[in-house]
Amino acid sequence: QLQLQESGPGLVKPSETLSLTCTVSGDSISRSSYYWGWIRQPPGQGLEWIGSFHYSGNTYYNPSLESRVTISIDTSKNQFSLNLSSVTAADTAVYYCASGVGKLLPDYWGQGTLVTVSS
Amino acid sequence: QSVLTQPPSASGTPGQRVTISCSGSSSNIGSNTVNWYQQLAGTAPKLLIYSNNQRPSGVPDRFSGSKSGTSASLAISGLQSEDEADFYCAAWDDSLNGVIFGGGTKLTVL
Repeated sequence: QLQLQESGPGLVKPSETLSLTCTVSGDSISRSSYYWGWIRQPPGQGLEWIGSFHYSGNTYYNPSLESRVTISIDTSKNQFSLNLSSVTAADTAVYYCASGVGKLLPDYWGQGTLVTVSS
Repeated sequence: QSVLTQPPSASGTPGQRVTISCSGSSSNIGSNTVNWYQQLAGTAPKLLIYSNNQRPSGVPDRFSGSKSGTSASLAISGLQSEDEADFYCAAWDDSLNGVIFGGGTKLTVL
C-alpha cells in the first residue's frame, strides 16, 4: 500500500518561500505508473490543485500559481518537494501530497500539513 | 468560484438515499473521467469513486457514481451517521490543463 507523508515548517514569513517534502513509502517514486502532486486546502475552504509531475519529466502546474511554484524529485530519497515563493497570508492552508495511478487525479493522499504564513 | 459546481450542502436521515451532483463543461467532465472524494472532519480526503463509477477496494457498495454528458453524480444509499462528511468531485480540465475540484458538498445525517 502506497503511503505519503508531508514534512516541513509549519510557519513561514510573508514574502519568503514555502518548502515542503513528501516522503513516499510502499513503492518507488520512479515507477512509471504513478503521477505525483500537491494539493492545498485553506482553512474552512475547498481543495485547490497546485501541480503534478511524472517521473518521465512531464510537469503540470495550476496556471494561477505557476509563476511561484516549483515541484522537484529526489529519487535517491524517494521524495518529492514543493517550493512556493513570495507567499502571503492567502497561502495559509493544509498542504497535501498525493499520487495518482496512471493518471493525474489523486488516488492516494498524505495526511496533510498545516502551513501558516505570518510574521 | 470552482469550475465544477456542487451544491454546498445535502442532508438525509439514516437509511435514506442521497445524491450529490457535480456540474462541469465539455472541457472537463464532458471529455474526462471524474473522481469523488470523502473528507471526514479533520482528516485528509479519501478516494471514494474513480473513473466515474469505480469503487476502490474497501469502499462499501452503498456508494456509487455516474456520469452523463457534462455532469456527474454521487449516490449514497442506506445512509449512515458515519457518512457525514464533505464530498468533492474532481476532473482534468483540457482548457486549464490542470486538475479541478468542485467546491465541495457538506453532507449532514439528520
